[in-house]
Amino acid sequence: AQTVTQSQPEMSVQEAETVTLSCTYDTSESDYYLFWYKQPPSRQMILVIRQEAYKQQNATENRFSVNFQKAAKSFSLKISDSQLGDAAMYFCAYRSLNTGTASKLTFGTGTRLQVTL
Amino acid sequence: SAVISQKPSRDICQRGTSLTIQCQVDSQVTMMFWYRQQPGQSLTLIATANQGSEATYESGFVIDKFPISRPNLTFSTLTVSNMSPEDSSIYLCSVESQAGETQYFGPGTRLLVL
Repeated sequence: AQTVTQSQPEMSVQEAETVTLSCTYDTSESDYYLFWYKQPPSRQMILVIRQEAYKQQNATENRFSVNFQKAAKSFSLKISDSQLGDAAMYFCAYRSLNTGTASKLTFGTGTRLQVTL
Repeated sequence: SAVISQKPSRDICQRGTSLTIQCQVDSQVTMMFWYRQQPGQSLTLIATANQGSEATYESGFVIDKFPISRPNLTFSTLTVSNMSPEDSSIYLCSVESQAGETQYFGPGTRLLVL
C-alpha cells in the first residue's frame, strides 16, 4: 500500500517570502499522480497543483511550484511571494493509476502554514 | 472544475440517531467519493460510489454504518447511522474530473455528535 509522509506539522513564513513544504511517499508503482491540496479554515479542499509521475518537468501554477524527485520519492511544494491568503493546511496526496485502486487518493497528515506580516 | 455542494454544511446530532448528507454536482460525473476528516486529522476515504452499482467501501468502513446512495450521475448521499461521539468529523464528497486526473472536493459537512 502507498503511504504519504509530511514531516512538518507546522511551518511559518513571512509575507512576500518563500517557503517549501516537504512530502515523501512510498510506492512500488511507476506511474501515478501527486497532488498538493490546500484547506483553509473554511475547510474547503482546494487543488493547488498536480504532477504526473511520467513527466520529468516540474509542475508550476503561478506562485506555486513543485520539486518532484521520482527516484527519491520526494514531492515538495514551493510557495513564492507568500500572501496572507496562503495560510492554510496543506495536504500532499498520491493517486495510483492501477486499475484496481484507481482514483483513490492517499493523503499525508498535512502541514499547517502560517503567514506572518 | 466541477462545482460541488453539500447539505447540511454542519449539524449537531444526538447519539443513536442518523444523519444523511447530500452531495450535488453541477455536471455528470462517473465516480464520486466520500471522505472522513476527524478533528485535526487527514482525510480518509470511506467509499467510492459509482452510479448504478453498489458502493465500494474501504477497510474499516461498512455499509450498515455508512450506507451510500448514487441514484444518478450528479447526486449522492452518505448516511451516518447510529451515531456516536466518535463519528464527529468533517465529511467531504469529491468527484473525479472528466479526464480522470483530478479530484475536486465539496465544502464538507461538519458533524458533531453529543
